[in-house]
Amino acid sequence: QVQLQESGPGLVKPSETLSLTCTVSGYSITSGYFWGWVRQSPGKGLEWIGSIYHSGSTYYNPSLKSRVSISIDTSKNEFSLKLSSVTAADTAVYYCVRDGLVVVSVFGYWGQGTLVTVSS
Amino acid sequence: DIVLTQSPGTLSLSPGERATLSCTASQSVSSSYLAWYQQKPGQAPRLLIYGASRRATGIPDRFSGSGSGTDFTLTISRLEPEDFAVYYCQQYGNSPPITFGQGTRLEIK
Repeated sequence: QVQLQESGPGLVKPSETLSLTCTVSGYSITSGYFWGWVRQSPGKGLEWIGSIYHSGSTYYNPSLKSRVSISIDTSKNEFSLKLSSVTAADTAVYYCVRDGLVVVSVFGYWGQGTLVTVSS
Repeated sequence: DIVLTQSPGTLSLSPGERATLSCTASQSVSSSYLAWYQQKPGQAPRLLIYGASRRATGIPDRFSGSGSGTDFTLTISRLEPEDFAVYYCQQYGNSPPITFGQGTRLEIK
């Protein structure tokens, strides 16, 4: 059974970098699928941030592309999100997800989500 | 980017009734690459439908999806108490970026 678990700081100061990690269990990242991040805030609803393939290929939401980096560590079976220069608008619940098998598509598995608040 | 508009914003129905939720895209969704998710309070969204009409694994057959082009529908044939939640549509045919609708809240009347 595929399980995803987010981890990282729940509070980040404005202008700093938000960093989250998603640990995957029950499935080897190297076996396939894209792996991604989706966030949810009251003001903007659900927003896809970006996705990464086990080979390292990435796709990002153009609205965030200049600030986002997603990386993968196959040895630890985990992937990570970095979002730089955060503001209050980046306050949201961040979910890690399993994306499509060969293309970025639908999210069949989700982590429980982690609330990240941007505040000084 | 494709903008998805869901209607109604809130739908009030009773258990046993039929629910019809709409999702309208600002431009045609390529290959009917549209999905539906259900989200309950405090939980992550759950994939219900993909490819406009294909049920995800383990989804009851009272959930069905239809549509093409710019107009899509999620139908719940007979509402069960556990079906009251927020529903989101998502397009992935013209991505990136993947985009979501703003959601329809299905509440008990």
